[in-house]
Amino acid sequence: KQEVTQIPAALSVPEGENLVLNCSFTDSAIYNLQWFRQDPGKGLTSLLLIQSSQREQTSGRLNASLDKSSGRSTLYIAASQPGDSATYLCAVRPGAAGNKLTFGGGTRVLVKP
Amino acid sequence: EPEVTQTPSHQVTQMGQEVILRCVPISNHLYFYWYRQILGQKVEFLVSFYNNEISEKSEIFDDQFSVERPDGSNFTLKIRSTKLEDSAMYFCASSESSLWQGTYEQYFGPGTRLTVT
Repeated sequence: KQEVTQIPAALSVPEGENLVLNCSFTDSAIYNLQWFRQDPGKGLTSLLLIQSSQREQTSGRLNASLDKSSGRSTLYIAASQPGDSATYLCAVRPGAAGNKLTFGGGTRVLVKP
Repeated sequence: EPEVTQTPSHQVTQMGQEVILRCVPISNHLYFYWYRQILGQKVEFLVSFYNNEISEKSEIFDDQFSVERPDGSNFTLKIRSTKLEDSAMYFCASSESSLWQGTYEQYFGPGTRLTVT
């Protein structure tokens, strides 16, 4: 059974510092991995999707890397801003038949001005 | 930009009552999903739906739950007899295609907060 873990559970950084968020998964047979942002009491906003065949995916200040064999993904957010304060979730889709996403518990980020 | 919408945003119901949560997926999407998030816990998969039938469901999705696409735009989740432990945020999601046709992102709605008293 796939297990997804995100450490740390919470992170506080001063504005301008780069953020590094970690995601690990136990079964490396994934099809893709998605990173989401969740604001308090709100829905999930998809940030990046990285296919199992990719090593990296970039969108603006966001960069996600994937090391499938070791079961790890990292989300980098460059030059953090107070507006980046949110919970960041990673989720993996299985490589076998099935479309369901298995989520990590998230990392709650606070960027202090 | 197209988005998934959900109604209501908040539903309060008494234990034992039936509730229907509604979703309008993105119009050209073919796969639809329900997930839930109990306060302080992980987002959990409930069910996926394609071509007017359930394609996958979790062990949470027991006989108390059902899904339906009553028309060309809506997708609903029904809980027949709510329990206190059904209190959660329920998210609807949709995607363009499936694993076999090329995988696309899942897009989530804003959620319906269900409170069972």
